[in-house]
Amino acid sequence: DAMVIQNPRYQVTQFGKPVTLSCSQTLNHNVMYWYQQKSSQAPKLLFHYYDKDFNNEADTPDNFQSRRPNTSFCFLDIRSPGLGDAAMYLCATSSRDPHQPQHFGDGTRLSIL
Amino acid sequence: QKEVEQDPGPLSVPEGAIVSLNCTYSNSAFQYFMWYRQYSRKGPELLMYTYSSGNKEDGRFTAQVDKSSKYISLFIRDSQPSDSATYLCAIRKGGSEKLVFGKGTKLTVNP
Repeated sequence: DAMVIQNPRYQVTQFGKPVTLSCSQTLNHNVMYWYQQKSSQAPKLLFHYYDKDFNNEADTPDNFQSRRPNTSFCFLDIRSPGLGDAAMYLCATSSRDPHQPQHFGDGTRLSIL
Repeated sequence: QKEVEQDPGPLSVPEGAIVSLNCTYSNSAFQYFMWYRQYSRKGPELLMYTYSSGNKEDGRFTAQVDKSSKYISLFIRDSQPSDSATYLCAIRKGGSEKLVFGKGTKLTVNP
């Protein structure tokens, strides 16, 4: 089945230690998104790529970076994680067709020690 | 005023009940309307997607959009314990890739 796959499902890192989360897709979608979701809250968009074009949300901290080396893969880098960055990180994809919705992966749950 | 409002619940119903979940939005530029279901520790799963006023039915689920009132609903008939999850409404403006999510309503269906 075509999918959005996130690895790892669970990630533990130390305060201030850089961490990278990965997302891959077999849907061949142009657009890839990274969301942060904290407990009992709605997903919050961090940034998205429209093909290679990077679009950062105004309130996304500088601590969060992203890379998209090709259509299939996208990475979220957190340079110096703080305790407040503990959350579920969701990757989603969509096509150019405005009548098609976003499809989500199952997320990576990040814990900070 | 928030762009989309959704009652977070929680909502608890007996098995077999009809469930009604609702969102309101403030901007008539929103043209695309989605309902996602999210189980605990999983990503949101698309349930329904529509871009016109009226009803759309898929099995036990019916999505309803009233653009004149800026009101969207999801109805679940014959609710099952497996429907216990958080339901998120999400809306999108024409020409934008970005979704605006409601806070989500946590639903529990009791056997």
